[in-house]
Formats: sequence, C-alpha cells, structure tokens
Amino acid sequence: GENVEQHPSTLSVQEGDSAVIKCTYSDSASNYFPWYKQELGKGPQLIIDIRSNVGEKKDQRIAVTLNKTAKHFSLHITETQPEDSAVYFCAAITNAGKSTFGDGTTLTVKP
Amino acid sequence: DSGVTQTPKHLITATGQRVTLRCSPRSGDLSVYWYQQSLDQGLQFLIQYYNGEERAKGNILERFSAQQFPDLHSELNLSSLELGDSALYFCASSVDRDSIGNTIYFGEGSWLTVV
Repeated sequence: GENVEQHPSTLSVQEGDSAVIKCTYSDSASNYFPWYKQELGKGPQLIIDIRSNVGEKKDQRIAVTLNKTAKHFSLHITETQPEDSAVYFCAAITNAGKSTFGDGTTLTVKP
Repeated sequence: DSGVTQTPKHLITATGQRVTLRCSPRSGDLSVYWYQQSLDQGLQFLIQYYNGEERAKGNILERFSAQQFPDLHSELNLSSLELGDSALYFCASSVDRDSIGNTIYFGEGSWLTVV
C-alpha cells in the first residue's frame, strides 16, 4: 500500500522566516496531494492542495511544489507568523479515493 | 466551525464493548469520511461514503463498520473494543465523490477512551 514519509517531525522558526516541510510518497497511483493544518483541539483544515499534473501552486504566503518523477512534494510557508504554529499533515490520495497521511510536522513560530 | 457535527465529543467505555459515533455532514455535502487519529499511528483514513454507498476503504478493521443513511448522516460502529482503539475519531464531509479539488471539511472529532 501507499506510504507517505513526512519530514521534519518538528520545526521551529523565527517569525518572518520561511518554513519548508517535505513529503515523499510511494504509490504512483496517487494523484492528489492536499496539505492540512491542525490546531490544538480542532480537526485538520485544508490549506492548499496540488494535483499530479501541476508542478507548483501558490496561495499568498503558502506554496506547494510537486516532483512527480521523484514522488516528492513540499509545503513552503513564507513570512511566518505566530498564528502559523500548528501541526501540518501532508496526504497522498489515489484515484480510488484512498488517503494516506504523513505523520505530521509540529511547526512553532517564535515571535 | 466547519459545519460538520460529531457526537459524542467524549466517550469512555470498557474493553469488549461496542460504541456508535455519529456524524452530520455539512448541508449539501454528499460524501462522508471517517478517520482515526492516535498517537502511535497518526492520522488514518478509514472509509468514505458517497450518497449512501461505500466509495473508498482504508485501514478500517473488521471490528469497525460504518454506514451513511438516506438523510446523509453517518455512523461509525466500533465493536469488541480494545485498549488500542482509544483515539480521536474524525468525521469529514465534502460535496463531491472524488477528492481532487474537492475540499474536505473536518469535524472536531469524538474522543474515545477504552479502559
């Protein structure tokens, strides 16, 4: 089955710096890659996603890149703010609808 | 507030017992998803229903079952509970059947503790 590896598991940055989280997937049938942000006591919330036929997508301070050949995709957050502090999950989803999540990255943005 | 409602918010039960978790999707959403989040296994996709029919299956144990009713609410049944089933169970919903480009909205979860 699909395996998604996510790194790093924890990331601490200064406010204003950039943060990068990387994921690797194994199943070439995966064709949709969402990223979720989970704050304490809440459910995950979709922040950005990318389809397999796209290499990069940007939404304000957040961007995602996908290297389909290498089966890598990454989340980039620029100009980080304390409210970006949360746990971030990547996921790989197949055409059949099966989702596999990374283990999560705890991001701390220090003011 | 995502619009997805889950009940109960917290539940404590004994090993061997059976529980039912309930989910009401956002108004207009036809897909319902169930996920399990635990410390040792992370966030895992269990199952998806679309308009009453099973659409995708993940790592759902045979002791667990789910269904989606005509009014689109869903229930996750967990039976012969073990200590390792203690986790946060999320329900989520979306408008369409397929995940691509289809925002999935998560509820706040049901905390299950098996003692």
